Amino acid sequence: DQQVKQNSPSLSVQEGRISILNCDYTNSMFDYFLWYKKYPAEGPTFLISISSIKDKNEDGRFTVFLNKSAKHLSLHIVPSQPGDSAVYFCAARVSGSARQLTFGSGTQLTVLP
Amino acid sequence: KAGVTQTPRYLIKTRGQQVTLSCSPISGHRSVSWYQQTPGQGLQFLFEYFSETQRNKGNFPGRFSGRQFSNSRSEMNVSTLELGDSALYLCASSFVAFGQGGYEQYFGPGTRLTVT
Repeated sequence: DQQVKQNSPSLSVQEGRISILNCDYTNSMFDYFLWYKKYPAEGPTFLISISSIKDKNEDGRFTVFLNKSAKHLSLHIVPSQPGDSAVYFCAARVSGSARQLTFGSGTQLTVLP
Repeated sequence: KAGVTQTPRYLIKTRGQQVTLSCSPISGHRSVSWYQQTPGQGLQFLFEYFSETQRNKGNFPGRFSGRQFSNSRSEMNVSTLELGDSALYLCASSFVAFGQGGYEQYFGPGTRLTVT
């Protein structure tokens, strides 16, 4: 049972445009959400996070939106740069589970110059 | 600050053997979590250690075990290796204040284990 779903395995965007990566979840007990990016042969790199008490969090070019009623999370990257090309994972933490994260399957983002 | 380091980076073992992987967290981070990444199952949580105690365990058989030392370094052990244990094993550390939070985890480069 996949509790965190990234339904788009891949996404291509032109340099300078907005990249929108989406994530859906099913577990109502998730209370913290994170986005990671991963380059080949490296471990995931933490990007940005959001608590379930918020609906938006910004950090530079990255903004995460949380829609709790729709159980939907999105990551906006503006403007997109070729160096952003990587696999992006969303992850979620179940309330009370210490630091156990449940990950989605990832979306390969390609930013075209 | 130095990042999370994992040793070895690559390992080839034979079915039935056992293996020990090592992880050194970021200085000051006392929580260490381990994840398995495979093409079929994605990133899956194995276990978390904080203050030398296992805090949480994922849905893996008892062949997978771990421990944490007083300097926060952690090891994971897999006994009686199976072909399906071939994976990238990732360690992540986080800063936990007063026993709370620390949900942002910082990952090491991983250990690529191949079981033949």
